[in-house]
Amino acid sequence: AQSVTQLGSHVSVSEGALVLLRCNYSSSVPPYLFWYVQYPNQGLQLLLKYTTGATLVKGINGFEAEFKKSETSFHLTKPSAHMSDAAEYFCAVRTQGGSEKLVFGKGTKLTVNP
Amino acid sequence: DADVTQTPRNRITKTGKRIMLECSQTKGHDRMYWYRQDPGLGLRLIYYSFDVKDINKGEISDGYSVSRQAQAKFSLSLESAIPNQTALYFCATSDGGGSYNEQFFGPGTRLTVL
Repeated sequence: AQSVTQLGSHVSVSEGALVLLRCNYSSSVPPYLFWYVQYPNQGLQLLLKYTTGATLVKGINGFEAEFKKSETSFHLTKPSAHMSDAAEYFCAVRTQGGSEKLVFGKGTKLTVNP
Repeated sequence: DADVTQTPRNRITKTGKRIMLECSQTKGHDRMYWYRQDPGLGLRLIYYSFDVKDINKGEISDGYSVSRQAQAKFSLSLESAIPNQTALYFCATSDGGGSYNEQFFGPGTRLTVL
C-alpha cells in the first residue's frame, strides 16, 4: 500500500526566502504525485502534479517540485516566499494502474514572516 | 459559481442526532469522495463512489453512511453523531476518464458535535 510522509508539520520562513516542503512516498509501483494547498477557511486547490515524463514539474504561484525516484521524494520548492503563500500544504500519492484513491500526507503548515 | 458546493458550511449538533452533509457538483465528473480533516492527521477518506451504483468504504467509514442520489449529488450521513466526529469534512470529485485522478475539492463543512 502506498503512503506519504511530510517532514515537518510546521515550517517558518522569512518573506523572500526559499521555501522547501518535504514529501517522501512509499509505493511499490510508479506513482502519480500531487501537491495541494489549503488557504485558511478554504478547500484544497491543486498546486501541481507529476504523472509521467519530465521529473521537474512547475505549478501555480511559482511553485515547482521534482520527482526523484531513487530518493522516493517529491519536495515542493519556491525560490522566494511571499506573504500570500502562508497556508497548509498537502502531498498526495496514487499508484499508476492501481486504486484510484489518493493517499494524503498529514500536511505542512507554512508561515511566512515579514 | 463554485464547481463543488457543500451544505451546510457550518453545523453544530448534539450527541445522538442524525446529521446529513450534502455535496453537489457541476463539473460533470463521475467520481465523488468524502474526506474528513483533523488537525495533524491530514485528510482521511470516508467513502467514495465511482458512479451512481458504486459505493465503496474508505479507511474510516465506521459511523458514517453515504447516498449517491445522482451523478452530481453525494451525501454523507452521521446516523448518531458523537463528539469525536467533530471535524472538517470535504467533498471532492474527479473525472475517471482522465486527468490522472486530479481531485477537485469543495469548500468544506465544519461540524461540531457537542
